[in-house]
Amino acid sequence: DVKVTQSSRYLVKRTGEKVFLECVQDMDHENMFWYRQDPGLGLRLIYFSYDVKMKEKGDIPEGYSVSREKKERFSLILESASTNQTSMYLCASSLWSTSYNEQFFGPGTRLTVL
Amino acid sequence: AQSVTQLDSQVPVFEEAPVELRCNYSSSVSVYLFWYVQYPNQGLQLLLKYLSGSTLVESINGFEAEFNKSQTSFHLRKPSVHISDTAEYFCAVIPQTDKLIFGTGTRLQVFP
Repeated sequence: DVKVTQSSRYLVKRTGEKVFLECVQDMDHENMFWYRQDPGLGLRLIYFSYDVKMKEKGDIPEGYSVSREKKERFSLILESASTNQTSMYLCASSLWSTSYNEQFFGPGTRLTVL
Repeated sequence: AQSVTQLDSQVPVFEEAPVELRCNYSSSVSVYLFWYVQYPNQGLQLLLKYLSGSTLVESINGFEAEFNKSQTSFHLRKPSVHISDTAEYFCAVIPQTDKLIFGTGTRLQVFP
């Protein structure tokens, strides 16, 4: 069964803290993605990765960075958390070889920055 | 630029009533179309997809969607909803790139 896991379901951090969100998939997928989900805005792509050590900016990369040292793990880093980064963060993965790139999602991490 | 429009942010219905969730997209090229569902406190799950062939696609839990190229629409329908269908529904397209483009979502609330 397809599985994408995220390290935390809920996280509370203070402004200025460095925050790590971890995502692991067990499907040997090449592609991994980080989105944030906000009411009325849907899902917006932050960063994605096609392969180990590869990364590409999405639509809203400002204030975020990512790391992909192993194929199964994709980390999202908030270098200095701010209140406007309070949101639901969703990780997804997909096979590179499929023409339509169906994405499989993790359960999400709800981050609150105080 | 490609975009996806979900015209209704919320759709309240009574149980056993029919429902339609609307989705329109803008793209000058062929696209792949998806509906994802997000149940409360969960991640997104693929509900159904259109890649090619028959323009009417169905899910295992009674939803269907029809690809209409001339109207650039991919509306989601169910003839009789259940309480368990309460969720947020996202329409998405892949316009022959590797990136999904999502709509803003429609919250379906089914009342007894």
